Amino acid sequence: DTGVSQDPRHKITKRGQNVTFRCDPISEHNRLYWYRQTLGQGPEFLTYFQNEAQLEKSRLLSDRFSAERPKGSFSTLEIQRTEQGDSAMYLCASSPREGLETQYFGPGTRLLVL
Amino acid sequence: LAKTTQPISMDSYEGQEVNITCSHNNIATNDYITWYQQFPSQGPRFIIQGYKTKVTNEVASLFIPADRKSSTLSLPRVSLSDTAVYYCLVGDWVDAGNMLTFGGGTRLMVKP
Repeated sequence: DTGVSQDPRHKITKRGQNVTFRCDPISEHNRLYWYRQTLGQGPEFLTYFQNEAQLEKSRLLSDRFSAERPKGSFSTLEIQRTEQGDSAMYLCASSPREGLETQYFGPGTRLLVL
Repeated sequence: LAKTTQPISMDSYEGQEVNITCSHNNIATNDYITWYQQFPSQGPRFIIQGYKTKVTNEVASLFIPADRKSSTLSLPRVSLSDTAVYYCLVGDWVDAGNMLTFGGGTRLMVKP
């Protein structure tokens, strides 16, 4: 399978703990995006990388959130001191070029903060 | 980015044609209209994009009137597997980073 993969698929944690998610984009896609989706809502943009450079961050990305893409390939999204409001599906997408039609999404990581 | 409005939900039966309309009164000259589909527990996937008139692919058709203030996604002869949420997005080709701005989408339920 050469699609976007995310790990883990599910994560349950207690409030105050740190969690880290991983995204492996489609090979040679230089653009990588993170989105968050809560129940019944559409995905909300969090941040965007072109190669290893983080070029855009949403206001939704508070100081407790950090994302990296150290070698321009896989990316990690870390949430520190998790809160119940962080419970959501975290989606990663990759794209080979500009264009609203070019994003390929992974299956997401579902986070539940107790 | 132009704001979009689409019905919250729709019901249909297998074999019927489904038309989902999206309103985007403030669409800009450089904006394209893009539709994504999302199945439960999966990420969204692109299904069709257009600028004006009509676009057709193997999955759907997209109808855009001359004023471009609305668009209609048409799914021919739906099956149970077309049950999903359909999102209408409007944006410029070179929007900052091409980040996608999703609204609430239309939840389509196809019944046997």
